[in-house]
Amino acid sequence: KAGVTQTPRYLIKTRGQQVTLSCSPISGHRSVSWYQQTPGQGLQFLFEYFSETQRNKGNFPGRFSGRQFSNSRSEMNVSTLELGDSALYLCASSLVGMRTDTQYFGPGTRLTVL
Amino acid sequence: DQQVKQNSPSLSVQEGRISILNCDYTNSMFDYFLWYKKYPAEGPTFLISISSIKDKNEDGRFTVFLNKSAKHLSLHIVPSQPGDSAVYFCAASARETSGSRLTFGEGTQLTVNP
Repeated sequence: KAGVTQTPRYLIKTRGQQVTLSCSPISGHRSVSWYQQTPGQGLQFLFEYFSETQRNKGNFPGRFSGRQFSNSRSEMNVSTLELGDSALYLCASSLVGMRTDTQYFGPGTRLTVL
Repeated sequence: DQQVKQNSPSLSVQEGRISILNCDYTNSMFDYFLWYKKYPAEGPTFLISISSIKDKNEDGRFTVFLNKSAKHLSLHIVPSQPGDSAVYFCAASARETSGSRLTFGEGTQLTVNP
């Protein structure tokens, strides 16, 4: 089975722009979660989608949004980019998003905001 | 407010010796704990988990210990191998959570020297 794929792998944007990141989960997985990783901060939970509905949301401003399509693929969008949004954005998929389901992570999208 | 803390940013051990990685948590609602390993340019991969009804779980060279009264868990790797060199993240899930939201620590860089 193919793993979780994320596109693009690297992205450079300037302040004020917006960006859309894409995540394709493992085939058959219906839950997709997004995390932000910055140096020294570990992974911070952004949101989780299941069956095209946002099920959980972390403590991020409304500039961060996401959606999930009927094929379980997910996108996240960041509007009005700030320098502090520079980070590695990881998505993870699991079968149905139960707490004990193993989450499989993609390689991430490295976003740099100049 | 960092609810999951890994106080050691780095750890260096000799090949064949034991590696002990530590993690503390503050949220008493956490009842399921996981360890992930991350190599550069890859997403985190699941290693081992433990439920709060247990105090120990083993999988091959990896053992996780949970001390609920101290709100502390540790990952033991015996024997350590150079291929174990990676960043290790401790993560926790709270019992009131529906879905797959995880709270991560900041990570510990383990280096195993040949």
